[in-house]
Amino acid sequence: AQKVTQAQTEISVVEKEDVTLDCVYETRDTTYYLFWYKQPPSGELVFLIRRNSFDEQNEISGRYSWNFQKSTSSFNFTITASQVVDSAVYFCALRPSKAAGNKLTFGGGTRVLVKP
Amino acid sequence: DAGVTQSPTHLIKTRGQQVTLRCSPKSGHDTVSWYQQALGQGPQFIFQYYEEEERQRGNFPDRFSGHQFPNYSSELNVNALLLGDSALYLCASSLAAIFKQFFGPGTRLTVL
Repeated sequence: AQKVTQAQTEISVVEKEDVTLDCVYETRDTTYYLFWYKQPPSGELVFLIRRNSFDEQNEISGRYSWNFQKSTSSFNFTITASQVVDSAVYFCALRPSKAAGNKLTFGGGTRVLVKP
Repeated sequence: DAGVTQSPTHLIKTRGQQVTLRCSPKSGHDTVSWYQQALGQGPQFIFQYYEEEERQRGNFPDRFSGHQFPNYSSELNVNALLLGDSALYLCASSLAAIFKQFFGPGTRLTVL
């Protein structure tokens, strides 16, 4: 069975502060993909980043960066210099690479509130 | 290029009724997945359709059924509605061999 846990239910920051979202996952699969999605108040899930389990290189994309540590089954996500438009619910998700379909297992989400 | 579209946007039903939700995938996509997102929770996978067949199914009762049409659009049907079926229902589309899913805006179902 797969499981994704986002222990932080809500984070509140002031604009320009950095925000780090935690994600811990459980899977028996040897290869898998990890994702971060953003859900603004409109409800539509917006894809942010994806990481293969066999690639632990951490990267930065604009104001987004992620820290993938396979040894601790963690896939944390950081927003640098937060902006009010970053206010949303963020979901971490997991998908086995060998699955026949695209089934995603989501965490419970972390609500981020960026105050001006 | 239209993205994933869903209809209706909002729906109110009473317990015991039946409901049909609709999804049109992004242009060029042939696989449709449905997710249920209860208030304050993450989305949960219901099932996935490819080539007009259900390919994967999550832990949902048989009251939840679906269909995919030759044009790749899809319907989600829920029978004998329960209060607990109140949720945002998200549709996602993709190419079968490519895992990146694009999500629609969802249908908000309220069961009274």
